Amino acid sequence: DTEVTQTPKHLVMGMTNKKSLKCEQHMGHRAMYWYKQKAKKPPELMFVYSYEKLSINESVPSRFSPECPNSSLLNLHLHALQPEDSALYLCASSRPLEGGYGYTFGSGTRLTVV
Amino acid sequence: EDKVVQSPLSLVVHEGDTVTLNCSYEVTNFRSLLWYKQEKKAPTFLFMLTSSGIEKKSGRLSSILDKKELFSILNITATQTGDSAIYLCAVEGIQGAQKLVFGQGTRLTINP
Repeated sequence: DTEVTQTPKHLVMGMTNKKSLKCEQHMGHRAMYWYKQKAKKPPELMFVYSYEKLSINESVPSRFSPECPNSSLLNLHLHALQPEDSALYLCASSRPLEGGYGYTFGSGTRLTVV
Repeated sequence: EDKVVQSPLSLVVHEGDTVTLNCSYEVTNFRSLLWYKQEKKAPTFLFMLTSSGIEKKSGRLSSILDKKELFSILNITATQTGDSAIYLCAVEGIQGAQKLVFGQGTRLTINP
């Protein structure tokens, strides 16, 4: 299995809703990431989990809450989002390579906040 | 602050042409530079260039890294319509390990 699987692929939610994005990988990667990508913009890092511990939070608003239940799963809990939070949310995982890290991205969840 | 700038932002060519995409960067304690192809959703990995691997080739695609001048190029020869995509360049610094900083991307369109 060489994939990162994200569900759902599309999500429409109201500003008062609570929803969760899910990400799963079975490649044995011990680092997992959430990126946010707005239309016609590059991905921007939100969170990094390393060995199931949060290692980087890029000053993301608290309405986004990440969770790493185990080494294969990564969740992003959403609550009280704003329309400007509409974006493609990408999950990634990585493994160490000589000189750096090899990253694998999922296909993303396209989120629309109404 | 780490920074990546790609050029051109958009490029339209005919099938069979050769294209060169540019990526310049500023990063503290450079570790690696990565190229990705993004069509609809997931960025797919193309190359990783490091201090010990400054030139990579795979089929019609090749890439070089100039650590002195702080840039990389991605070449695609004999382009095909399937090469149409956004090409993203990203860098990682040692201090920002596991933190990729992406450029704006180059939108490449190959017309038949």
